[in-house]
Amino acid sequence: GESVGLHLPTLSVQEGDNSIINCAYSNSASDYFIWYKQESGKGPQFIIDIRSNMDKRQGQRVTVLLNKTVKHLSLQIAATQPGDSAVYFCAENISGGFKTIFGAGTRLFVKA
Amino acid sequence: DGGITQSPKYLFRKEGQNVTLSCEQNLNHDAMYWYRQDPGQGLRLIYYSQIVNDFQKGDIAEGYSVSREKKESFPLTVTSAQKNPTAFYLCASSTGQTDSPLHFGNGTRLTVT
Repeated sequence: GESVGLHLPTLSVQEGDNSIINCAYSNSASDYFIWYKQESGKGPQFIIDIRSNMDKRQGQRVTVLLNKTVKHLSLQIAATQPGDSAVYFCAENISGGFKTIFGAGTRLFVKA
Repeated sequence: DGGITQSPKYLFRKEGQNVTLSCEQNLNHDAMYWYRQDPGQGLRLIYYSQIVNDFQKGDIAEGYSVSREKKESFPLTVTSAQKNPTAFYLCASSTGQTDSPLHFGNGTRLTVT
């Protein structure tokens, strides 16, 4: 079926290390992918997005990689900081559709 | 600052009562959405609206109702027919284009006892 899933529910990293959060998607009609960050008690915040005609996009300390061959999406956070501790969701929009499908989320813990 | 305002932050109700959650946006977005989030889980779509006076059911619309009388406002009513209403409710908006991200409010935590 149409779903977005995550390989790891929790990830613990040392402050200063790089973090990689992975996500698998199953709908080949998806053409737009987004990563959101959700802090406790708040709504998700947009981090970075990527269209299906790209395989890499960089932001400030974050990089999203898209591998359409294996339907895999990843979020890389460079020099992870305590403020990066949150739940991260990948999401997909299906071409021509109006719904955003969310994965279950990965909780990132940053150890000082 | 532009954004989405949800109120109240916390809401408590007795079982059998209807309750309405407020969502207002000043981003001039055409599309608005309601999601439900349960502990440790992702977001599930309840209802969405692409334009004023029009809305569609999402994946879990049973027991909920909405209205879209104004572009800025998209209130959600949780009715007594919703079997498990205790959850964190998130409102979002977007331009409505396929490649535009959602902008979320900070949610309303509803507890029904």
